[in-house]
Amino acid sequence: QKEVEQNSGPLSVPEGAIASLNCTYSDRGSQSFFWYRQYSGKSPELIMFIYSNGDKEDGRFTAQLNKASQYVSLLIRDSQPSDSATYLCAVNPASGYALNFGKGTSLLVTP
Amino acid sequence: EAQVTQNPRYLITVTGKKLTVTCSQNMNHEYMSWYRQDPGLGLRQIYYSMNVEVTDKGDVPEGYKVSRKEKRNFPLILESPSPNQTSLYFCASSGSGTSGGRTDTQYFGPGTRLTVL
Repeated sequence: QKEVEQNSGPLSVPEGAIASLNCTYSDRGSQSFFWYRQYSGKSPELIMFIYSNGDKEDGRFTAQLNKASQYVSLLIRDSQPSDSATYLCAVNPASGYALNFGKGTSLLVTP
Repeated sequence: EAQVTQNPRYLITVTGKKLTVTCSQNMNHEYMSWYRQDPGLGLRQIYYSMNVEVTDKGDVPEGYKVSRKEKRNFPLILESPSPNQTSLYFCASSGSGTSGGRTDTQYFGPGTRLTVL
């Protein structure tokens, strides 16, 4: 079973702070990594993807990948109450179509 | 606009009454998939399809059927729904499509909230 693990939270951060979300995966051959944001009752929305070791920045979001340690993280700078959602980590175990999803981390940004 | 659509968005039904949830995508994606999402269990894959007439079971296929007769459509069929199939259902698609995108980036439909009484 190819597992993707996330802390369920909730992770609570004050408005303006940096939120750090982490994800570990079991399949060392995994090729690509995704972060989805999901508001309650809504569908997952892709916010970031990363394929190579290191950091990838997009606006207030930074994805970090460390394949040797098999973890991927998402940093949200200047967190806003509108960032309050569940964040799903997804991993592609091979160069194909399937994704393995973690159960998500609930983020709460308090004003 | 590139999108995945699902219908209906909300459905309340009774045990044993056959139903179909439709899914359609306009991105010419090869891959389509159905998930159910339950509190504490995350997204669980029900069935997926690699292309027309090619379907396979996911992690929780019992009680469900699918078909893929056209590339754009991937309906989910519950022939005899039971209360344990009460859930939030998502259809997703990915593929190179008409713009040559990555095959591993999945796009989700808006979801169907199903209640089986």
